[in-house]
Amino acid sequence: EDQVTQSPEALRLQEGESSSLNCSYTVSGLRGLFWYRQDPGKGPEFLFTLYSAGEEKEKERLKATLTKKESFLHITAPKPEDSATYLCAVRSYGNNRLAFGKGNQVVVIP
Amino acid sequence: DTAVSQTPKYLVTQMGNDKSIKCEQNLGHDTMYWYKQDSKKFLKIMFSYNNKELIINETVPNRFSPKSPDKAHLNLHINSLELGDSAVYFCASSQVRTSEETQYFGPGTRLLVL
Repeated sequence: EDQVTQSPEALRLQEGESSSLNCSYTVSGLRGLFWYRQDPGKGPEFLFTLYSAGEEKEKERLKATLTKKESFLHITAPKPEDSATYLCAVRSYGNNRLAFGKGNQVVVIP
Repeated sequence: DTAVSQTPKYLVTQMGNDKSIKCEQNLGHDTMYWYKQDSKKFLKIMFSYNNKELIINETVPNRFSPKSPDKAHLNLHINSLELGDSAVYFCASSQVRTSEETQYFGPGTRLLVL
């Protein structure tokens, strides 16, 4: 069974204080690793898909990286509007379902 | 706007009632999903339909019955609602067998059973 563990569960950052979120995963064969952002009262919003170790993707202050066992979401010089829960999910070959982690709740203080 | 939409956004009902949640996507995707997000914010797959055919059916009480009238719609009917059914239900869609296969989520339906 595919498993995803995210750490830390919650993180408070000062505005401008860069940090990283971790997503460790166990799958039989990785078809894709997905990062989503979820704001309170809203549905998950797609950020990135990573397919193979060594791959990196960037969007504004966010950068996602992937190794064979984990993914990191780096937040560079965060702003208060980056406050959200970041969800990591994996999909394995022969499987249509996404297995989600419990999320990293990030609060950025002005 | 192209999106995944759900109705209603909020649903408050009494134990024992039957209710339905509707989902529509206009992204042209061939696969739709229902997820449940519990009070701890953990998202878990319930069902998935590909071209109106049920392809994922997780261990969910048979009080929950999905119905897909066409590729763009996936509804969720819940019979004899229980307190433990209170959660947020998300619909999602994707186009499988492409290089992307990203799932796009709706805004959620907040169900409260009293």
